[in-house]
Formats: sequence, structure tokens, C-alpha cells
Amino acid sequence: GQQLNQSPQSMFIQEGEDVSMNCTSSSIFNTWLWYKQDPGEGPVLLIALYKAGELTSNGRLTAQFGITRKDSFLNISASIPSDVGIYFCAGLTPTGANSKLTFGKGITLSVRP
Amino acid sequence: GAGVSQSPRYKVAKRGQDVALRCDPISGHVSLFWYQQALGQGPEFLTYFQNEAQLDKSGLPSDRFFAERPEGSVSTLKIQRTQQEDSAVYLCASSLEVRGRSPLHFGNGTRLTVT
Repeated sequence: GQQLNQSPQSMFIQEGEDVSMNCTSSSIFNTWLWYKQDPGEGPVLLIALYKAGELTSNGRLTAQFGITRKDSFLNISASIPSDVGIYFCAGLTPTGANSKLTFGKGITLSVRP
Repeated sequence: GAGVSQSPRYKVAKRGQDVALRCDPISGHVSLFWYQQALGQGPEFLTYFQNEAQLDKSGLPSDRFFAERPEGSVSTLKIQRTQQEDSAVYLCASSLEVRGRSPLHFGNGTRLTVT
């Protein structure tokens, strides 16, 4: 089946640093989404991308939908302790309705104060 | 509340028991999804409802898994004869529209532990 690749599994940064996360796929997606999940909670949508090449910002977060439609990245600038959590990318296939979001395995972000 | 509500938050079942997990979506949301999230993994799609119609159940891992949404609002995911490999967090999500740019809103999940 379709797979989204996120690596590394864990990232450790200092408070105030910027961090970039990548997500790649062997399949084309027509929508890319980035979610954050805190312990014991469900994923929360951070940014949605709908067009190849699209660059979208949400506060300190910036994400881009790759031109090939097979990758996306998420940047977090000036990290703060509450950025700690698991970041998932998710893709929606061209033939999908709103179903079958495919998620990556996630990247666990730790922020040292 | 205004969000997706799931109950129970935690469920411990002995192997072979049946369990029922409940999801209350956001009022008025047409689409409802169930996902399974194993430890250290991303959520994996189980099934999808549009109102009361189950349009996609291709992600259900076996015929021991059954989901329903009889009146197009509350949904129940039932697992019969639970096995240890069923241990996971079961997430429910809803969205306002069927297609288009309608984001998924996730509940906090039910953590199922099968002993």
C-alpha cells in the first residue's frame, strides 16, 4: 500500500532554534496535511496544502507542497517548549473522497529549554 | 462539548472478550472515520461513513471488526473475540463535508489493551 516516509524518528533541538521536517512518498498525493499529536490526545491539524508548489504559513509554522506531489516539508521557527510532540504528515490520494488519509510514522520532537 | 468525544478513554479486555467503542462526532458532521494507531505508529484507516452509510470498510483488519452509525451521528466500533494484536489506540474523526477542504477533527481516542 501507500507509504509516507518520515525520518528521523526523533529530533532534539534547543529552544529558539528552527527545525525542518520532511515527508516523502512513492505515490502522488493531491493534498498534504501536517498534524501534531500530544500524549493522550488525538492529532490536531496544523497546516493543509492543496496545490503542488503551494507554500503556506501558520504563525511560526511554514509548510510546502512539493512540485512532484510526492513530498512536503514543515518548518518550525523559533521553537518553544510547547512545540514538543509528534508531528505526522498525511496525504490524500487523487481518487479519494475525504477518506483514506495515509499517515507517516511521525517524528517525535523534543525541545530543550 | 464542541469536539469529537470518544468513550471509554481506556479499555482493558481479556483475550476473547468483545468490546464496543463509542464515538460522538461534532454535531452536523457528515463524514466519520475510524483509525487504528499502534504504539509508535501513525494512524491507519479502518472505515468511513457518510451519514449512516458505511462507504469504505477496506481498512478493517478482520471480520471480527464491525462498525455502525445507524442514525448518522454516533458511531460504534465493535471488536469481537479480541486478540492481543488488537491492542492500540482507536481514533475517531469527523468532518463537515464529504469532499473539498473540510478538515478532519480527531477525538482523543480509546486506548484498548488486550491481556
